[in-house]
Amino acid sequence: EDQVTQSPEALRLQEGESSSLNCSYTVSGLRGLFWYRQDPGKGPEFLFTLYSAGEEKEKERLKATLTKKESFLHITAPKPEDSATYLCAVQLNPRGGSEKLVFGKGTKLTVNP
Amino acid sequence: NAGVTQTPKFRVLKTGQSMTLLCAQDMNHEYMYWYRQDPGMGLRLIHYSVGEGTTAKGEVPDGYNVSRLKKQNFLLGLESAAPSQTSVYFCASSRTERVPQHFGDGTRLSIL
Repeated sequence: EDQVTQSPEALRLQEGESSSLNCSYTVSGLRGLFWYRQDPGKGPEFLFTLYSAGEEKEKERLKATLTKKESFLHITAPKPEDSATYLCAVQLNPRGGSEKLVFGKGTKLTVNP
Repeated sequence: NAGVTQTPKFRVLKTGQSMTLLCAQDMNHEYMYWYRQDPGMGLRLIHYSVGEGTTAKGEVPDGYNVSRLKKQNFLLGLESAAPSQTSVYFCASSRTERVPQHFGDGTRLSIL
């Protein structure tokens, strides 16, 4: 069964304390991996698209990377406004099946001032 | 430019009642989606549309119907609400590929 696992479930950081969130997947026919940010009471906000192993994307304090089995979202010198739940989603095109997008459960990040 | 707008934002229903959730986008996007988000689970696709007049089933379509009569609107209907449909419902859209890029702020639906 295709699975997307995000770890940790929750992460507390001090302002300026860099860390990484993980998204690992056991899927067949990976087409792409996507990161979103979700604030409480809001819909997800699209952050990054990654298509191939070795690819990297950056936006402000965030950098997303992709390997053959996992993706990392690196947060450098985070600020309290980076507090949110970060979701990853994997786009599959399995053999004999129709294309689909599988979301992980998310990592809730809290950055304390 | 409002993006994706969902109405209502909150609703409480009794079991067996029906209702329609409305989604409107002003970006001229071809693709629109309805997802549900439940505690401890990832977002799950209910139905989607690849253009005006088209709809297709997603991962969890049972108990829901949809319509896309106009390109900018995507409606989600519950004909006979059940407590298992208590959830937060998100509408989303995208211009080309089948990956949602713009989400609304959700409809919080409770069914008693």
